[in-house]
Amino acid sequence: DSGVTQTPKHLITATGQRVTLRCSPRSGDLSVYWYQQSLDQGLQFLIQYYNGEERAKGNILERFSAQQFPDLHSELNLSSLELGDSALYFCASSGRDREKLDGTDTQYFGPGTRLTVL
Amino acid sequence: GQNIDQPTEMTATEGAIVQINCTYQTSGFNGLFWYQQHAGEAPTFLSYNVLDGLEEKGRFSSFLSRSKGYSYLLLKELQMKDSASYLCAVDYTGGFKTIFGAGTRLFVKA
Repeated sequence: DSGVTQTPKHLITATGQRVTLRCSPRSGDLSVYWYQQSLDQGLQFLIQYYNGEERAKGNILERFSAQQFPDLHSELNLSSLELGDSALYFCASSGRDREKLDGTDTQYFGPGTRLTVL
Repeated sequence: GQNIDQPTEMTATEGAIVQINCTYQTSGFNGLFWYQQHAGEAPTFLSYNVLDGLEEKGRFSSFLSRSKGYSYLLLKELQMKDSASYLCAVDYTGGFKTIFGAGTRLFVKA
């Protein structure tokens, strides 16, 4: 158990709909990352938050958005869903301190949310 | 760009040794991770290398050459449960950017 939790575990929805995926990082971790992994594909980095602020953006579609709340949990919002959005969505957290820039950026992954768009 | 290259697939026999290579662009390099990912599951951390050389952790070892932009993950005494994808990821300075390779799918056969 990595200490990162994600809900829901599975989500089945229809094209055109909107869903919200939730992530709670490990206790004390300030960084949260979101990744998309389609079937048999590599991890695609979507976005990273650090202590409530967006820090880095990857190949995230405009239909997708995310935020990190004061209690450090994060939500990934996916709207106008398409069939191709079906994938595993992972959240990860790390404990690297932004100001000190020390420590490693070891990421601890949640169990993922499997999204199926029909 | 910051391309990370690793073989797509490898096959090895139970009890044998396998080496999974990873090459990356050296500019801005901070450190290199290896993760293991079983199908449908979350990646799990295996190792982190910052300095040149070999780091051993039980049956798994990871090697790094910073000047060559090269790393490998060595798995000894292979077991069937080692069948998984192995992800090489590089931590680049400036922006908390960790870039994942596409992963190497390892098949361990009896």
